[in-house]
Amino acid sequence: EAGVTQFPSHSVIEKGQTVTLRCDPISGHDNLYWYRRVMGKEIKFLLHFVKESKQDESGMPNNRFLAERTGGTYSTLKVQPAELEDSGVYFCASSQEGTGWWYEQYFGPGTRLTVT
Amino acid sequence: QKEVEQDPGPLSVPEGAIVSLNCTYSNSAFQYFMWYRQYSRKGPELLMYTYSSGNKEDGRFTAQVDKSSKYISLFIRDSQPSDSATYLCAMTVSNDYKLSFGAGTTVTVRA
Repeated sequence: EAGVTQFPSHSVIEKGQTVTLRCDPISGHDNLYWYRRVMGKEIKFLLHFVKESKQDESGMPNNRFLAERTGGTYSTLKVQPAELEDSGVYFCASSQEGTGWWYEQYFGPGTRLTVT
Repeated sequence: QKEVEQDPGPLSVPEGAIVSLNCTYSNSAFQYFMWYRQYSRKGPELLMYTYSSGNKEDGRFTAQVDKSSKYISLFIRDSQPSDSATYLCAMTVSNDYKLSFGAGTTVTVRA
């Protein structure tokens, strides 16, 4: 079974540009999460989808970040326009419905975003 | 004060030693406690989870939770060079998917 995949693995953009990160969850996982780790800090929650529905985006830093999940499958996270403080590693995770759905999250390898 | 405190290390031990990792937390409502292992340039991999207080063993790994002290531990017995990684603790309350992570401890097991 394929794990969570993310693309690209690394992106370097200039301040003011737009970047779109993609996440493909484990097949059959209805729950999809985005997390972020900035340099020297802990991994922090950004938002949660159930299928195509955005359930909770309380962790999104501001309105420059837009997440979508097309047809309940893959998800994209767009940053527009990017700022220096957006640099970090963006992780996607997914979990399936059932016992332990909220803590048994499987993480992707992350996308390292560098804004210069 | 951070919600979850974890010593970032680094921690270096000889092969075969016992690795001891721990986290403290401030939110007494936390009930589910997880340990993740993260290899370089990879995503966090769920190792173990524990519900409430107590011990849980899985092979060479033992997780302990002491809710009265708000302290959790992970022990790795007979450590191997392949155990070299960053170990992150995470925790949450029931039905809350927003995991609270520690900063991670970097462990190196020397052959």
